[in-house]
Amino acid sequence: GENVEQHPSTLSVQEGDSAVIKCTYSDSASNYFPWYKQELGKRPQLIIDIRSNVGEKKDQRIAVTLNKTAKHFSLHITETQPEDSAVYFCAASMHTGNQFYFGTGTSLTVIP
Amino acid sequence: GAVVSQHPSWVICKSGTSVKIECRSLDFQATTMFWYRQFPKQSLMLMATSNEGSKATYEQGVEKDKFLINHASLTLSTLTVTSAHPEDSSFYICSAPTSGNEQYFGPGTRLTVT
Repeated sequence: GENVEQHPSTLSVQEGDSAVIKCTYSDSASNYFPWYKQELGKRPQLIIDIRSNVGEKKDQRIAVTLNKTAKHFSLHITETQPEDSAVYFCAASMHTGNQFYFGTGTSLTVIP
Repeated sequence: GAVVSQHPSWVICKSGTSVKIECRSLDFQATTMFWYRQFPKQSLMLMATSNEGSKATYEQGVEKDKFLINHASLTLSTLTVTSAHPEDSSFYICSAPTSGNEQYFGPGTRLTVT
């Protein structure tokens, strides 16, 4: 089955700096890669996603890149703000309706 | 995005009793829903896949007789924790994928077994 690894497990950045979280996956059949943000005690929220036919996607301060050859994808947050502090999860999925395989999460702290 | 609701948001029950948690997709139909368990500061652990009109698929190590899943309609799945024990205390979250494979999560249910 698919194996998703996520690094780092914790990340602290100064407000205004950039944050990068990286994930790798094992199964080349995976074709959908979402990123979720989870605040304490709340549900994971989809913040951005990318499909295997695209190499990069950007939405304001958030961007995701995908390297299918190397089987890794990354989340980039620019101009970080304290409200970006949360746990971020990457995931990989193969087909519509199939289960998602989640990374272990990254706890991001943005220091004011 | 799509909306998934979950009820109750928190529940406290005594050891030995059963608890039912509902997961609803409010603005889309979901033939599949997923149930996760999450421990503090840990990732989401998939427990089972709920399939409308057929039996749920359980992950290895998850007791199907203890965690009963019923996918009653295209918008409702229920998880019943039977004969709950303190070690079942956890945060349970459901999710449902849309036709585009975006997966949306319910708000979660905090279960405490005393």
